[in-house]
Formats: sequence, structure tokens, C-alpha cells
Amino acid sequence: DAGVTQSPTHLIKTRGQQVTLRCSPKSGHDTVSWYQQALGQGPQFIFQYYEEEERQRGNFPDRFSGHQFPNYSSELNVNALLLGDSALYLCASSPPGQDYNEQFFGPGTRLTVL
Amino acid sequence: GENVEQHPSTLSVQEGDSAVIKCTYSDSASNYFPWYKQELGKGPQLIIDIRSNVGEKKDQRIAVTLNKTAKHFSLHITETQPEDSAVYFCAARPMNTGFQKLVFGTGTRLLVSP
Repeated sequence: DAGVTQSPTHLIKTRGQQVTLRCSPKSGHDTVSWYQQALGQGPQFIFQYYEEEERQRGNFPDRFSGHQFPNYSSELNVNALLLGDSALYLCASSPPGQDYNEQFFGPGTRLTVL
Repeated sequence: GENVEQHPSTLSVQEGDSAVIKCTYSDSASNYFPWYKQELGKGPQLIIDIRSNVGEKKDQRIAVTLNKTAKHFSLHITETQPEDSAVYFCAARPMNTGFQKLVFGTGTRLLVSP
């Protein structure tokens, strides 16, 4: 079992650009959540996807958008990048059919905005 | 919304000692409390979790306790080893969000010296 995988590992962009990050969930998982982790902080919830729909969103602007594909993989898109978007972006997947839904994280994508 | 506070921010112990990390949460309806270990350059790894209908849970050298009345939960690591050195995060799942959003604490950097 490969676990949760994310690509790319690192990314450098300039202000105003757009970026797409990718996530493949753990085998058998159908729910994907995205988190932003600033340096020295805990992860902050961005949004969650289930059945190809965004079903919950944290306090992030509309510049942050996502998508889930029929194979449960997911993308996170960020438009009009700001310096403050520099962070580790984490994807977490959850298995179906559990009330409490343990979340298993991938290694993250380190985004640097210059 | 839910707020999770975590203490201490740093903890240094000698190998073989015990380590305790404490968290408090604000939403009395939260019902799921996972703990994650994050090593440098990696994503958070789920190490133990507890549901609101349980007061204590153990897994080898790791235990978690939950006091619902006081809205406290704690991670206990016994017989610490140098490989336990990492950043540990507590989290809570607020029920009023309806789904599986996790709210994280700010992390505790644990250093175990040989």
C-alpha cells in the first residue's frame, strides 16, 4: 500500500501566478481533505472533497479551489498567489463507512512564493 | 468555532523518561481527538486517537487520556527513545461542522536526549 501520495514535492512560484497541487489517496479511501501548514504552525483546514463535491470549507478565500476525480484523486488550485501562501500543503485521505474518519496525511507539497 | 490550545511548545527529556503533552478544546460537542507525530520534512503521522465515549486508550508506550468535563486531553509517552523526537500535534473534530474537519493545536517539539 503506497499510502497518500502528493506531487510535486517542492514548488517555487512568483506572486500572481497560479499553482496546481495533486494528491492520490490511500487505497480504499474515498474522502480527501486539504490543509495548509505554515512554518511552525499546526495544519489549517482548507476544504474536503467527497463524491467529487466540495462538502466542507475552512476560512480560505475563493482563490483556493479544488477538484476530486472519479478515482478519488484530488487537485488543489491556488490563483493569484500571495507571499503569504508560502506553506506546506497537506492532503489527507479518509476511509469510507466510519463515523470518526481517521485522516491519513501525505508528505505534503512545499510551496514557496517569491 | 473550535479552538485547540496545546502545551508545552517545547519539551526536552532524557531517554527513558516520560513525556506528557496537554491540550484543551473549546467546543464541548467535539467527539474525536487524534494525535499526530510529524518528523522533519514529512507529513503528520497518526499515532493514536480517542473518541469521546472513552476516557483512556493505550498502545504500547503511548497513551491518551480524555477529560470531557474539563475539555482536556493529554498524550503520555513512557520510556522515551531518541526516535520519539519530533513535533507532536493534537487535534479535535468539532461536531457542529457536520463532517470530518480537524482543528489542530500549535504543536509540541519533543527532544529526547540519549
